[in-house]
Amino acid sequence: NAGVTQTPKFQVLKTGQSMTLQCAQDMNHEYMSWYRQDPGMGLRLIHYSVGAGITDQGEVPNGYNVSRSTTEDFPLRLLSAAPSQTSVYFCASSSLSSGSNEQFFGPGTRLTVL
Amino acid sequence: GNSVTQMEGPVTLSEEAFLTINCTYTATGYPSLFWYVQYPGEGLQLLLKATKADDKGSNKGFEATYRKETTSFHLEKGSVQVSDSAVYFCALLIGGYQKVTFGTGTKLQVIP
Repeated sequence: NAGVTQTPKFQVLKTGQSMTLQCAQDMNHEYMSWYRQDPGMGLRLIHYSVGAGITDQGEVPNGYNVSRSTTEDFPLRLLSAAPSQTSVYFCASSSLSSGSNEQFFGPGTRLTVL
Repeated sequence: GNSVTQMEGPVTLSEEAFLTINCTYTATGYPSLFWYVQYPGEGLQLLLKATKADDKGSNKGFEATYRKETTSFHLEKGSVQVSDSAVYFCALLIGGYQKVTFGTGTKLQVIP
């Protein structure tokens, strides 16, 4: 199993550019989420989804959009990148039905906005 | 709201030293508690968990006990190795929708 995959690993953007961070999982997990990791702040939840067609905002949603058209994929879109969005982004998934509560994380995308 | 407080790092220890990383929490309800570990350049992975008071989670020589009376979940290991060098995150989960609250992380460096 590949688990949770993220692309790209690294990305540099200019202010105002848009891009999509890709996330996919092959574990048939219902729950998927996006976090950003910043020094001294731990992980903060951006958006999450409990199933295809259902998304909701987390702690820091401004400047980000998500969609969940399939169980496997949960892309994160930056519509107009800002330097404050320079961060490491992690996608995670978990099973709502198994009861284990374990989050499985992807390897991360390091984004720099100039 | 819910929050997790971890001791500030970095923590530097010699190989075979005893490790304690403190974690306390505030929660509106009865949370499950977790320790995640992040090795350099990787995503987080679950190290151990506990779901009710007095439960002890353990894995790879690490242990943590869910203490409801002190709202704590301190991570311990009797003898650390260089390979344990990583960032450790304490976390809690309340409710059915997997919204996890993470602490800020504690970086551990083990020197030979």
